[in-house]
Amino acid sequence: ETGVTQTPRHLVMGMTNKKSLKCEQHLGHNAMYWYKQSAKKPLELMFVYNFKEQTENNSVPSRFSPECPNSSHLFLHLHTLQPEDSALYLCASRKAGQGRDEQFFGPGTRLTVL
Amino acid sequence: GQQVMQIPQYQHVQEGEDFTTYCNSSTTLSNIQWYKQRPGGHPVFLIQLVKSGEVKKQKRLTFQFGEAKKNSSLHITATQTTDVGTYFCAGQSGTASKLTFGTGTRLQVTL
Repeated sequence: ETGVTQTPRHLVMGMTNKKSLKCEQHLGHNAMYWYKQSAKKPLELMFVYNFKEQTENNSVPSRFSPECPNSSHLFLHLHTLQPEDSALYLCASRKAGQGRDEQFFGPGTRLTVL
Repeated sequence: GQQVMQIPQYQHVQEGEDFTTYCNSSTTLSNIQWYKQRPGGHPVFLIQLVKSGEVKKQKRLTFQFGEAKKNSSLHITATQTTDVGTYFCAGQSGTASKLTFGTGTRLQVTL
């Protein structure tokens, strides 16, 4: 366990559904990330939050909507997704400003869009 | 934008053989990190290299950062089945909070 939890672990949804992914970190970190990992592709950074403020949006389609209510929680709201959005969605967190920049990843949510 | 490539994409070795993966960035990096992802798992941090020409060792793993800070390598001596997984390098430049992950090298080890 890395101290980063994600729910649900698996999600199947239709293209017209609305769902949310949740990430929680228990490490006292101040930066949180959403990544997308597709088969045979590198990890794609989606969003970065520092101290609850979004500092990076990597040209992500608006059907993905992040929310960071506090430094410990991160959500990814999903609506009208496409089948090509099926992937593993990974959340990560980091403690900025301590000389080590390692990111701690959660177990991921395996998303299938039908 | 910044790109980080790794070679090879895949390598299959017999237990006891050595393994090396190479990482190349299109831009100069402030530091580079390495992660390992086991099959069905999530990336786990291995190490961070910061200085030009830096070499670090973790048991059978040797990590190197190039002099120009644009390339890196991970060498595993005498592989074991527990080394199976995908190894990613991740480069940091500019914005400290953003990492660009490499394409990954999947290692398979058989007895």
